[in-house]
Amino acid sequence: SQQGEEDPQALSIQEGENATMNCSYKTSINNLQWYRQNSGRGLVHLILIRSNEREKHSGRLRVTLDTSKKSSSLLITASRAADTASYFCATSRMDSSYKLIFGSGTRLLVRP
Amino acid sequence: EAQVTQNPRYLITVTGKKLTVTCSQNMNHEYMSWYRQDPGLGLRQIYYSMNVEVTDKGDVPEGYKVSRKEKRNFPLILESPSPNQTSLYFCASSAWRMAGADTQYFGPGTRLTVL
Repeated sequence: SQQGEEDPQALSIQEGENATMNCSYKTSINNLQWYRQNSGRGLVHLILIRSNEREKHSGRLRVTLDTSKKSSSLLITASRAADTASYFCATSRMDSSYKLIFGSGTRLLVRP
Repeated sequence: EAQVTQNPRYLITVTGKKLTVTCSQNMNHEYMSWYRQDPGLGLRQIYYSMNVEVTDKGDVPEGYKVSRKEKRNFPLILESPSPNQTSLYFCASSAWRMAGADTQYFGPGTRLTVL
């Protein structure tokens, strides 16, 4: 069953612009993670945010978490062509921390 | 180099012919798991293992088997593959068994086609 759902499904922006992706989930969680996947390759971990955190930064990445709305957003600032990839959120339910559930992803295209 | 390896990377087979996809990690991780990725569906967890000899079903376990006899290896077995198992498969591992709270390290993927 899908726990996380990303929005939009696809996003096309110009290099230098900011990209925002959203993730909504259904049940209470302890943590939420964001991953990146370059075309057909293995996923790479970007950032983990805990349920008691509201915002977290890592370089050009900013992640927010709103547990009351069951949603998270990933902001990539000053995007580069190399940021072109698919981005996934992943959560585990509070009652099942061993199972990780991924959303369907947002495909980001950064045009040079 | 710390990594998760999968073999083979590409496989074309026929319906009913048993196959095994191997996964190995050299990071002494406790947790290992298998996912399949299909267009529009994201990644779906097939099986996971919290430690040696401890495995459990993910969301889509039907048609798959796993075993964890050694900490570093977690093979995925398709006893009788069918065309609906055509997919891109990923193995992943993490140091801690609580997958939701720990970074997952992914292998490069195995593209399987079942004719």
